[in-house]
Amino acid sequence: QQQVKQSPQSLIVQKGGISIINCAYENTAFDYFPWYQQFPGKGPALLIAIRPDVSEKKEGRFTISFNKSAKQFSLHIMDSQPGDSATYFCAATTEGNEKLTFGTGTRLTIIP
Amino acid sequence: DAMVIQNPRYQVTQFGKPVTLSCSQTLNHNVMYWYQQKSSQAPKLLFHYYDKDFNNEADTPDNFQSRRPNTSFCFLDIRSPGLGDAAMYLCATSRPGLYQPQHFGDGTRLSIL
Repeated sequence: QQQVKQSPQSLIVQKGGISIINCAYENTAFDYFPWYQQFPGKGPALLIAIRPDVSEKKEGRFTISFNKSAKQFSLHIMDSQPGDSATYFCAATTEGNEKLTFGTGTRLTIIP
Repeated sequence: DAMVIQNPRYQVTQFGKPVTLSCSQTLNHNVMYWYQQKSSQAPKLLFHYYDKDFNNEADTPDNFQSRRPNTSFCFLDIRSPGLGDAAMYLCATSRPGLYQPQHFGDGTRLSIL
């Protein structure tokens, strides 16, 4: 029940296209959903996050869509660029708990 | 500018020889975490501190210990490293509370000979 399932495991998108990564969870107590971006040889860095009281959050080319009833959320990267090539992790956490439950990660490659 | 600093970036040790990894932060955050990340996997939480209050994950092997002598520093001690302990070790910090992001260092890559 603590798991966050993430798909796809890897994704290749052409430059300028839309990259979409999906996550699903079971634990209805989760109430904060961050996405982390990790480049090779670096630690993860917070990219964007959403609370369950909104259905969408947009920051530049990055958008989180959240479906509370389906217990699913997704990351959309518009106009994908080669510099977006990285591994993306969705995560979830609950109030009063500093621990993150990570998804399994998606390796995104943007090709010219 | 680095806010969570891990030293060394690369560490090589021998099978069974104790090793210590260090983490320091300039953010003055109450919470510090240690994660283990193996190739193509998500970070796995080993333990975390809320100030000096130590919280061990149930599945963290006894071989892994930690010390936090003050707010800024935290150490990961591996008492008898095995081949399966070769991984990237990530330190992270955060303020307490639900919507506080975790700030990660760039990790120490540990190799076991």
